[in-house]
Amino acid sequence: GAVVSQHPSRVICKSGTSVKIECRSLDFQATTMFWYRQFPKKSLMLMATSNEGSKATYEQGVEKDKFLINHASLTLSTLTVTSAHPEDSSFYICSARTSGSNEQFFGPGTRLTVL
Amino acid sequence: EDQVTQSPEALRLQEGESSSLNCSYTVSGLRGLFWYRQDPGKGPEFLFTLYSAGEEKEKERLKATLTKKESFLHITAPKPEDSATYLCARRQGTDKLIFGTGTRLQVFP
Repeated sequence: GAVVSQHPSRVICKSGTSVKIECRSLDFQATTMFWYRQFPKKSLMLMATSNEGSKATYEQGVEKDKFLINHASLTLSTLTVTSAHPEDSSFYICSARTSGSNEQFFGPGTRLTVL
Repeated sequence: EDQVTQSPEALRLQEGESSSLNCSYTVSGLRGLFWYRQDPGKGPEFLFTLYSAGEEKEKERLKATLTKKESFLHITAPKPEDSATYLCARRQGTDKLIFGTGTRLQVFP
């Protein structure tokens, strides 16, 4: 139980293009989903929190117009990196939590490389 | 601001050599201390949640304990497959997790 998937696992794109990453909870309803970013040998930094049907809450310093988050259903959230640049290259990880639970379950991550 | 500090940064153990990883946190109304395991290029895998001082939880060769200002992850007789980065995190507010930088564990046969 508590399986979270992400797609794609790896993506390489050209500078200036937009990239969409999907996060799905496969066997539970995720009332809240989280998006994190992780640099090599560094810890996870929370980018934003989204509740199903509501606008995402972004952490300080995260550009909401650049990192568009949609949480349209209880099993799917998407992160779109708009007009990507090389500095956006990173490992993006989502997590999901169900109502009444404190534990977050993480997806396998998406490696984004912007050329 | 809530902070989480993990030590050591890296740990090399011989197979069977037991040890402990440390996670210290700022004491300001802890609402949950979480341990995760992360393999290279993968997302974190949930291990334990601890809520109150004195609480302990076990899973196979791992045991997590909690005091008023720190948590330990004890690894008993580790095997090479236990090699990973172990992350701890504290809950801040309703949802937010504040992660430490992790301990990279390598277990050699």
